[in-house]
Amino acid sequence: AQRVTQPEKLLSVFKGAPVELKCNYSYSGSPELFWYVQYSRQRLQLLLRHISRESIKGFTADLNKGETSFHLKKPFAQEEDSAMYYCALDNYGQNFVFGPGTRLSVLP
Amino acid sequence: NAGVTQTPKFQVLKTGQSMTLQCAQDMNHEYMSWYRQDPGMGLRLIHYSVGAGITDQGEVPNGYNVSRSTTEDFPLRLLSAAPSQTSVYFCASSYSTGKGEAFFGQGTRLTVV
Repeated sequence: AQRVTQPEKLLSVFKGAPVELKCNYSYSGSPELFWYVQYSRQRLQLLLRHISRESIKGFTADLNKGETSFHLKKPFAQEEDSAMYYCALDNYGQNFVFGPGTRLSVLP
Repeated sequence: NAGVTQTPKFQVLKTGQSMTLQCAQDMNHEYMSWYRQDPGMGLRLIHYSVGAGITDQGEVPNGYNVSRSTTEDFPLRLLSAAPSQTSVYFCASSYSTGKGEAFFGQGTRLTVV
């Protein structure tokens, strides 16, 4: 079965420090992967998708098929980055499979 | 643009009661889904639809029903509420998965007592 794992429930870093949110997946075929973010009291929204290879709000993510990973990285964390982050996988074009989420807390 | 609209935002039910969570989108999206969000478990798929008249079960469908009579609407029905259904429910829509992003509603916080 298709599955997304995010090993860290909570990640705390200081402002200005690098941050990496881990995501691993299991999928047969070529996966389409996404990162979604949920800021406090707001709805989930797309942060980035691997096929566009964009950098959004300073975040990047690289798909590593060998390690089946799609880790989210930012070189210098900001307090406004504090949020819940979900890694998601397109499930053969029918729906999305989400990971359990990682709560990022950026400390002043 | 309204996007994805969910109602109600909050609801308290007694065990055994039934109710319908409403979801509507105005983006002409084919794909719609319902998720529940529980601490430590992320978003789990309840039911989804790839077009009007077509629905299918997700990971946790028991105790829920859906229908998709129009492209715009995708209501979620709780048949007989149980405390285990206390959760935050999100509706999402997209043109298609993979090629298009999912747009989420603001969520419904449901408490079953």
